Amino acid sequence: AQSVAQPEDQVNVAEGNPLTVKCTYSVSGNPYLFWYVQYPNRGLQFLLKYITGDNLVKGSYGFEAEFNKSQTSFHLKKPSALVSDSALYFCAVSATDKLIFGTGTRLQVFP
Amino acid sequence: NAGVTQTPKFQVLKTGQSMTLQCAQDMNHEYMSWYRQDPGMGLRLIHYSVGAGITDQGEVPNGYNVSRSTTEDFPLRLLSAAPSQTSVYFCASSYNPDRPLYEQYFGPGTRLTVT
Repeated sequence: AQSVAQPEDQVNVAEGNPLTVKCTYSVSGNPYLFWYVQYPNRGLQFLLKYITGDNLVKGSYGFEAEFNKSQTSFHLKKPSALVSDSALYFCAVSATDKLIFGTGTRLQVFP
Repeated sequence: NAGVTQTPKFQVLKTGQSMTLQCAQDMNHEYMSWYRQDPGMGLRLIHYSVGAGITDQGEVPNGYNVSRSTTEDFPLRLLSAAPSQTSVYFCASSYNPDRPLYEQYFGPGTRLTVT
């Protein structure tokens, strides 16, 4: 079975500081990994994905994520946080014909 | 392209009533799915379809039916609404029905309250 864990319900960071939102996964086989963002009262927006190749993946709005196979992790990062990055972030994994989501991490960026 | 559209945006039902949540996409995607989002539980897959005429159950299918008569539409039916079905429902589509699945594109959601 495939599963995703986001160990932090909320991450707080000051504007201008780097941010990390953590994600670990468990699958059989080679996974596809994704990050989505959800702003209030909106649907999910795709941020970035890892399928194969370079372990550092760059995505929308200056976000990037690092795939680490040995630690089965796919942490989301951004060098300098903006207040407008405040939102709910979901990690997801696919190894079959389903996409399995984590429970989400609320990112709060303070001015 | 309109992308993935959902109607209605909001709905209030009484226990025992039935209704259909509509979902349509204009991207010619083979794969479509329905999720429900509840606080602290992330998104859970209700039903999905890998193409017209083919549907399958997800993680939480009980109380819901789906059909896929065309590539564009994937309606979700609540047969007899219960308060436990109060949630936000998202429809999503993807251009490949293969394994593993590529990224999905989401609709804006339907907020359903069952009293």
